[in-house]
Amino acid sequence: AQSVTQLGSHVSVSEGALVLLRCNYSSSVPPYLFWYVQYPNQGLQLLLKYTSAATLVKGINGFEAEFKKSETSFHLTKPSAHMSDAAEYFCAVSEKAGTYKYIFGTGTRLKVLA
Amino acid sequence: EAQVTQNPRYLITVTGKKLTVTCSQNMNHEYMSWYRQDPGLGLRQIYYSMNVEVTDKGDVPEGYKVSRKEKRNFPLILESPSPNQTSLYFCASSLSPSGETQYFGPGTRLLVL
Repeated sequence: AQSVTQLGSHVSVSEGALVLLRCNYSSSVPPYLFWYVQYPNQGLQLLLKYTSAATLVKGINGFEAEFKKSETSFHLTKPSAHMSDAAEYFCAVSEKAGTYKYIFGTGTRLKVLA
Repeated sequence: EAQVTQNPRYLITVTGKKLTVTCSQNMNHEYMSWYRQDPGLGLRQIYYSMNVEVTDKGDVPEGYKVSRKEKRNFPLILESPSPNQTSLYFCASSLSPSGETQYFGPGTRLLVL
């Protein structure tokens, strides 16, 4: 069965430092991959997605993610953290064939320190 | 404005009292889905629908029912709520089942006493 693992339920970075949030998936066939962000007391919104075009995907607010098939990873990065990036981030996958389930990771809460 | 709406936003109920949480989207999306969010567990899919009259179970369907009689609406029904269904619920929709961005509603916070 498809699964998504996000390493680190809480990550703290200083303002201006690199943000790296990790996501690994398990699937013999690379799925569609997504990163969503959830600000406090809000629903989720899409940051970026990989749908088998370019392996380096750029999203909103300066975030990007690289799909690495050999590592079954889709880590999210941002070169310089801003206070407004503090939120919870979710990696998700949906299969290209078979069921149409959507699987989310358990989330990583990002804290940005002044 | 393109949006997914959910009602109610907050609900306190008692064990066994049937309730329905409504979800509506105005984007003519085919795919709709319900999730529950619990601390440390992320979002877990309850049910999803690929189109009118086509629904299927997600990973945690026990204790829930859904229906899709119209394209825009996808209500979540708890026939006999129990305290372990206390959670934050999100409805979402997307243009098609696979590879598309999901648009989320604002959430419904449910407390079952």
